[in-house]
Amino acid sequence: SAVISQKPSRDICQRGTSLTIQCQVDSQVTMMFWYRQQPGQSLTLIATANQGSEATYESGFVIDKFPISRPNLTFSTLTVSNMSPEDSSIYLCSVELGLAGGLTGELFFGEGSRLTVL
Amino acid sequence: GEDVEQSLFLSVREGDSSVINCTYTDSSSTYLYWYKQEPGAGLQLLTYIFSNMDMKQDQRLTVLLNKKDKHLSLRIADTQTGDSAIYFCAESIKGTYKYIFGTGTRLKVLA
Repeated sequence: SAVISQKPSRDICQRGTSLTIQCQVDSQVTMMFWYRQQPGQSLTLIATANQGSEATYESGFVIDKFPISRPNLTFSTLTVSNMSPEDSSIYLCSVELGLAGGLTGELFFGEGSRLTVL
Repeated sequence: GEDVEQSLFLSVREGDSSVINCTYTDSSSTYLYWYKQEPGAGLQLLTYIFSNMDMKQDQRLTVLLNKKDKHLSLRIADTQTGDSAIYFCAESIKGTYKYIFGTGTRLKVLA
């Protein structure tokens, strides 16, 4: 299993500012994932962060808006830049570890960072 | 593209069975999952099923898979107030690291 800690757990932000969310994992992992969970909606993958390379962004998400760092195998940050009320959401950090038998993986999630943009 | 759909709400009485339904579109999915999210917490894997299985039982949980209709369900027997949470159906996309999540079903258990 994996234990994932995220900071901050919640924050209220002003329009136009930026906020960086930190994610710490208790074991070394190759890939870390950042998801967004908007109210009443499913989880949407923002990007995949590999250590030592640039993050891979999903359609609709760009590096200028959501810059990601991955300095080592246990840590990552996601910055939400130039925030607007539409960015109000829960942001979740996740890693995938193999299930018993190794045929599929299990996603472990942090508790999420709930951002409210005024 | 891939899509996973769930009903948004379900309310049951304590001790009754709950059935949460999910439909998906990607027929190449090899595994399907049920995750649980309690208030203020991240998602936690409840159970999963391989696509060549019809049913999987794990204590109070029963997963049924109808691959022809692309329909997945989660039955919770003897539902307890502690089962109140949001339940997400998810599928893994074959050949990728991606998961597609449903919108989540909010289960409310009435005492």
